Amino acid sequence: NAGVTQTPKFRILKIGQSMTLQCTQDMNHNYMYWYRQDPGMGLKLIYYSVGAGITDKGEVPNGYNVSRSTTEDFPLRLELAAPSQTSVYFCASSYPRDASYGYTFGSGTRLTVV
Amino acid sequence: QQPVQSPQAVILREGEDAVINCSSSKALYSVHWYRQKHGEAPVFLMILLKGGEQKGHDKISASFNEKKQQSSLYLTASQLSYSGTYFCGTEDSGYSTLTFGKGTMLLVSP
Repeated sequence: NAGVTQTPKFRILKIGQSMTLQCTQDMNHNYMYWYRQDPGMGLKLIYYSVGAGITDKGEVPNGYNVSRSTTEDFPLRLELAAPSQTSVYFCASSYPRDASYGYTFGSGTRLTVV
Repeated sequence: QQPVQSPQAVILREGEDAVINCSSSKALYSVHWYRQKHGEAPVFLMILLKGGEQKGHDKISASFNEKKQQSSLYLTASQLSYSGTYFCGTEDSGYSTLTFGKGTMLLVSP
C-alpha cells in the first residue's frame, strides 16, 4: 500500500516553461487535493476534486490547471511558469465523511522557477 | 479565512508540556491537527468534530470549544520526536476542504 505518490521530487524550471506534477493514490479515496506550501504561510489550496471528472478551484488557482480522469490520478499542470510559483507542492487525498484518517499527503515536489 | 495559530514557536526541554491553540472567526464543523517534520509531508494526528469529545492518543490530546471556535493541542511529557511544525486545518462544513493555519514550530531539546 503506497498511499499517495508524487513525482518528481525536485524540479527546476525556466520562466515560461510548462510542466505536469503527477499524483497517484492507491487507497480508493474519492477526494484529492493540491496544496502549495511557502515558508511561514502554511498550506494553500490550489485545486481539489471530489471524484473522477469533477474538479474545482481552491484559494490560489491562477497559473494552474488540473484534470481527474480516474479515481487514482490527479495531475497538476503549470503553464508558463513564473518565479511566484516557486514552492513546495503537496498532493493529498481523503475519504469523505471518514472521521478517522484525515488527509494523507504525498511526499511533495519542490519546484524552483528561475 | 485562515485560522490563527498561537504561539508561532515553542522551545521545550524533554519532559515539559506544551499547548498549541487554533482559532477561527467562522463556525467550524471540524478541526484537524497535523505534524510536519523538516523536509517531509504533513502527517495526520487527529480530528475533532463538532459535538465530539476531546481526543487523544499516547501523550498528545486535543479539545474543541465550539462556542469559541477554538481548538487546543496538548503535548504532555514531550519527547524529542515531538519536534516539528504543527498545523491545524479547519473545515466549515462536512463536505468542505481544509484551510490550514500558518503553523507552530515546536523544538524539543534534550
